[in-house]
Amino acid sequence: TQLLEQSPQFLSIQEGENLTVYCNSSSVFSSLQWYRQEPGEGPVLLVTVVTGGEVKKLKRLTFQFGDARKDSSLHITAAQPGDTGLYLCAGAGAGGTSYGKLTFGQGTILTVHP
Amino acid sequence: GAGVSQSPSNKVTEKGKDVELRCDPISGHTALYWYRQSLGQGLEFLIYFQGNSAPDKSGLPSDRFSAERTGGSVSTLTIQRTQQEDSAVYLCASSPRDGGIRSPLHFGNGTRLTVT
Repeated sequence: TQLLEQSPQFLSIQEGENLTVYCNSSSVFSSLQWYRQEPGEGPVLLVTVVTGGEVKKLKRLTFQFGDARKDSSLHITAAQPGDTGLYLCAGAGAGGTSYGKLTFGQGTILTVHP
Repeated sequence: GAGVSQSPSNKVTEKGKDVELRCDPISGHTALYWYRQSLGQGLEFLIYFQGNSAPDKSGLPSDRFSAERTGGSVSTLTIQRTQQEDSAVYLCASSPRDGGIRSPLHFGNGTRLTVT
């Protein structure tokens, strides 16, 4: 069983603060995806990282894939209330499995207070 | 439609009853997935359909769960003799091919199932 340990599980911060969410595994993934999910909706893909050591930026969000492709992080700079939501990491392609058969972390519930 | 459509959006059923959950994928998408999400948690893979290939059922938690996909489009997830531990949000996703970086998953808004 491939597991993705995501931390922290809960994060409550003030507007303007920075934060980092971590995703760790003992398995090597072909790619790792980050999703954001709002209440009553399905997850929406934010980014996919593929290459070990890869860094991708999406406005105030920075995503990094570990060199060994076993871990990843999401860093948000100057968080805003609109960033509030459930953030999920998901690994794909471990052990030759289908790319769509994703292994999800437990999620991080982020609350940004104005 | 523009996105993945799931129905019903909410379903309350009594323990022991059967339920059917429906998923309409994005038109033209050949891959379809079912996931289950417990309250505020990550997603658990259930089953995967790709074109006319035999589905990957490795994530189904028991033989009370089954799914079919008719005509390569609409899918139905059936849960027989529902139990309280089946309560969760059931999410469907589709992609043009077998996921991957150039074929990301598009999720529906899910069906919230409550077994009383």
